[in-house]
Amino acid sequence: KQEVTQIPAALSVPEGENLVLNCSFTDSAIYNLQWFRQDPGKGLTSLLLIQSSQREQTSGRLNASLDKSSGRSTLYIAASQPGDSATYLCAVALNQAGTALIFGKGTTLSVSS
Amino acid sequence: GAVVSQHPSWVICKSGTSVKIECRSLDFQATTMFWYRQFPKQSLMLMATSNEGSKATYEQGVEKDKFLINHASLTLSTLTVTSAHPEDSSFYICSARGLARGNEQFFGPGTRLTVL
Repeated sequence: KQEVTQIPAALSVPEGENLVLNCSFTDSAIYNLQWFRQDPGKGLTSLLLIQSSQREQTSGRLNASLDKSSGRSTLYIAASQPGDSATYLCAVALNQAGTALIFGKGTTLSVSS
Repeated sequence: GAVVSQHPSWVICKSGTSVKIECRSLDFQATTMFWYRQFPKQSLMLMATSNEGSKATYEQGVEKDKFLINHASLTLSTLTVTSAHPEDSSFYICSARGLARGNEQFFGPGTRLTVL
């Protein structure tokens, strides 16, 4: 059974720091991996989607990498800002098109000004 | 990205009543919709998968007679929580996937259910 783990559970950093969020999954046979942002009491905002054949994706200050063989992904946030404060969720789609996503518990990030 | 809406965004009801939550794909045809539930400080857990025109597939531990799912059209799926109890209070989020949108899932904004 696929399990997704995110470390750390919570992270506090001062504004301007670069930071890395970690995600690991137990079964390397994934279809894709996606990073989401969730603000308190709100829905999900998709940040980056990495297909299983890709190694990384970039969007602005965000860079996500994928090492499928080792079952790991990282989300790198450059020059963090207070507006980045949110919970970041990692989710994997199993090796079948159209299957549901399996989510980690998230990393709650707090960026202080 | 594609747009998925949910209605209502929040609902408060008395114990024993039924609540219907709608999930709509606004700009694409959703062949598959997923319903997730998120308890406070927990991650999203899949409740059921519904394909248009067929019965939903429920995850283990999710009562199909309590959580009724209907996916009657390519743009609408509904989740009805029957005889709701306080332990059903949660954040319910749907997602939709359509062939024209590849394999990416697009999420609705969620519905906060509070059962008194």
